[in-house]
Amino acid sequence: DGGITQSPKYLFRKEGQNVTLSCEQNLNHDAMYWYRQDPGQGLRLIYYSQIVNDFQKGDIAEGYSVSREKKESFPLTVTSAQKNPTAFYLCASTRGGTGGRQPQHFGDGTRLSIL
Amino acid sequence: GQQVMQIPQYQHVQEGEDFTTYCNSSTTLSNIQWYKQRPGGHPVFLIQLVKSGEVKKQKRLTFQFGEAKKNSSLHITATQTTDVGTYFCARLNYGGSQGNLIFGKGTKLSVKP
Repeated sequence: DGGITQSPKYLFRKEGQNVTLSCEQNLNHDAMYWYRQDPGQGLRLIYYSQIVNDFQKGDIAEGYSVSREKKESFPLTVTSAQKNPTAFYLCASTRGGTGGRQPQHFGDGTRLSIL
Repeated sequence: GQQVMQIPQYQHVQEGEDFTTYCNSSTTLSNIQWYKQRPGGHPVFLIQLVKSGEVKKQKRLTFQFGEAKKNSSLHITATQTTDVGTYFCARLNYGGSQGNLIFGKGTKLSVKP
């Protein structure tokens, strides 16, 4: 079955550490997205990529970094500069580059917590 | 701005009662999408509306897009416990390359058996 795989499901980070969240899709989708979800806050966009080797900042990009070296993969690094990283992180993809007009397909998410 | 306001934030209903959530914008929308997120799960796309006054149905769910394309609603008839979850609307972000959505904060529905 085609889909989006996020790993790990749960992740714990110590203060001052960088951590990388994995997102892989086999849907042959062009665009990929990272969202952060906090209770009662809905989904907030961190970064998105409409094509390989290109990505744009979303609303809350500070303290995060991404890369898009392959169409299938869009890893997110939560750096030590992100002061409040505890959240549920969701990766999504869309078939075309105009993601605002396409259904978004989501992975199961990664829950990140600070130790 | 481009935010979408969803009301109510929470809704508790008895099984069998109807439920409606509303999504409002101060600016005209080109389209609106609806998603459902079950507890502990990820958002799942339900539908997209693009035409003024559009009404679409999926079994017990009815989606409407306002005539002025500034609001939308999701109505569930005779709720069931399987309807539990958070319902989000999302609009196209007009900024940049229109490559992404702006999500509302969602309406959390609980259903008492």
